[in-house]
Amino acid sequence: EPEVTQTPSHQVTQMGQEVILRCVPISNHLYFYWYRQILGQKVEFLVSFYNNEISEKSEIFDDQFSVERPDGSNFTLKIRSTKLEDSAMYFCASNPADTQYFGPGTRLTVL
Amino acid sequence: AQSVAQPEDQVNVAEGNPLTVKCTYSVSGNPYLFWYVQYPNRGLQFLLKYITGDNLVKGSYGFEAEFNKSQTSFHLKKPSALVSDSALYFCAVRDRGGSARQLTFGSGTQLTVLP
Repeated sequence: EPEVTQTPSHQVTQMGQEVILRCVPISNHLYFYWYRQILGQKVEFLVSFYNNEISEKSEIFDDQFSVERPDGSNFTLKIRSTKLEDSAMYFCASNPADTQYFGPGTRLTVL
Repeated sequence: AQSVAQPEDQVNVAEGNPLTVKCTYSVSGNPYLFWYVQYPNRGLQFLLKYITGDNLVKGSYGFEAEFNKSQTSFHLKKPSALVSDSALYFCAVRDRGGSARQLTFGSGTQLTVLP
């Protein structure tokens, strides 16, 4: 069964550094998403992406964040200058219609 | 705006007993409702969804949920709990009529099934 994959599983970075989180959505899906989950808190929506552009974004998704679909398979989330409060689990999701399927997540630790 | 409430942070149940994990929602229109399960250090796994039709929906691993429009609830149930059901459960909602497709999640309920 096809799955959403994410790399790396764990990323440790210094405050102020740039990070790129990578996702490979399920191949025939058209909608892509990034969510994050700060430890012990609820899953929060960051951004959705359709037809090669951002369709929705939350207030969390400020100018420090960007997304890109550089080729036909990858979907990336870039954080330009990481802050301590960016430490969280970041989940990628994709869906063809109603149901979103989530990847295993990338745990980002900002020191 | 849409929101989800999971009033119980923790639910404990004995193996073999029925379990219920509660969820209420708020949307401006009609909802799409979902349950996801998260095992330790894992992603969110889809369990079941309500889109339209029968109010009782069945999903993976013997779970089911009942959509109650008047009570704006979508409680997750299972007739006989297993120790392996122990995990974090999230309810999520999306407004069916809206153009936005993102999900709004509840705060999660930690289910512990005791042997």
